[in-house]
Amino acid sequence: DGGITQSPKYLFRKEGQNVTLSCEQNLNHDAMYWYRQDPGQGLRLIYYSQIVNDFQKGDIAEGYSVSREKKESFPLTVTSAQKNPTAFYLCASTPLAGTGGRSPLHFGNGTRLTVT
Amino acid sequence: LAKTTQPISMDSYEGQEVNITCSHNNIATNDYITWYQQFPSQGPRFIIQGYKTKVTNEVASLFIPADRKSSTLSLPRVSLSDTAVYYCLVDKIPGAGSYQLTFGKGTKLSVIP
Repeated sequence: DGGITQSPKYLFRKEGQNVTLSCEQNLNHDAMYWYRQDPGQGLRLIYYSQIVNDFQKGDIAEGYSVSREKKESFPLTVTSAQKNPTAFYLCASTPLAGTGGRSPLHFGNGTRLTVT
Repeated sequence: LAKTTQPISMDSYEGQEVNITCSHNNIATNDYITWYQQFPSQGPRFIIQGYKTKVTNEVASLFIPADRKSSTLSLPRVSLSDTAVYYCLVDKIPGAGSYQLTFGKGTKLSVIP
């Protein structure tokens, strides 16, 4: 089955450490996205990428970095510069182009990061 | 980007029809309206999408008036398993602009036995 895999499901880190969250998709989608969700809140866009080797900042990119070396992979690094890194992180993808309508986002099941 | 406004929460009894309305006053000509459902500790999943008038699928209906400044997601005969957060998004067709897709806080629907 095609889909998006995020790993691990739960991640614990000490403050001051960088941590990388994995996101892999086998949907052959061009665009990939990272969102952050805090309890009781909506999703806020961190970074997105429309094509390999290119990515753009979203609304809350500070303290995060990404890479897009392969079409199917879009890892997110939470750096020590991110002041409140504890959150639920969601990765999503969409195909680009289309004859009509907006291709809906396909989401992974998230990684819950806890930093103490 | 068009901003959306939804009720923060709604309660409904099992078996009732639920209508969740989303306001998007500054929707642009090229924008589509998409609804997602999210269960706790899971990623959102696509429910339905429309541009104008009415769209229906096996899960829900989406009503969009002629001015497109609002839309209503209709869930027929809800069950306990429909308890979730529902998000309304307004975004552009591919190639028509930014791919930044902004989620609001959504509507938390609680279905009561």
